[in-house]
Amino acid sequence: DAKTTQPPSMDCAEGRAANLPCNHSTISGNEYVYWYRQIHSQGPQYIIHGLKNNETNEMASLIITEDRKSSTLILPHATLRDTAVYYCIVKETSYDKVIFGPGTSLSVIP
Amino acid sequence: NAGVTQTPKFRVLKTGQSMTLLCAQDMNHEYMYWYRQDPGMGLRLIHYSVGEGTTAKGEVPDGYNVSRLKKQNFLLGLESAAPSQTSVYFCASRRLAGRNGQYFGPGTRLTVT
Repeated sequence: DAKTTQPPSMDCAEGRAANLPCNHSTISGNEYVYWYRQIHSQGPQYIIHGLKNNETNEMASLIITEDRKSSTLILPHATLRDTAVYYCIVKETSYDKVIFGPGTSLSVIP
Repeated sequence: NAGVTQTPKFRVLKTGQSMTLLCAQDMNHEYMYWYRQDPGMGLRLIHYSVGEGTTAKGEVPDGYNVSRLKKQNFLLGLESAAPSQTSVYFCASRRLAGRNGQYFGPGTRLTVT
């Protein structure tokens, strides 16, 4: 699985869009980008995934660059409940185990 | 939908005692997983199952056993608990079709003294 790089921490004002970047420069053609988050003391939560097209669901949007070497998770209107550690994962398939790196600790500030 | 539920939420065991953690999902998912999460270690896969009646070892299977007698349940057993098994245990499930993410339970916090 390709390695990912994320900033260790970010702040975002409540109500503003939170843009969380992820670099995955060694991604191969059949590998998908997945995003999860973990709110303190809770189980990890699946957010979204994509291959090469931008994706949107009720939680977030995923923007993948044309060369697929980086992506951005967008929370359009961040709330205090979005404060969590966000993990970007690159995997060929998702029936394998999930391996979380350090992730990005997002703090949403009132 | 309750999603993925785990029982119990907290447990304290003495060294050598045994216990079973129960994971249940109501999403009709084929795949189920047991992970443990320790501070600074991230998630580590203990065992997983790709369907009813099948199980397989993950990264850290020693000291644990699992069973998947029903599609909706995945049990994790500790035969003789050790302090090194103090951790937070998460269960997850995933649908077979498509490249979907895993859905996690709320976790079981286990302390072995």
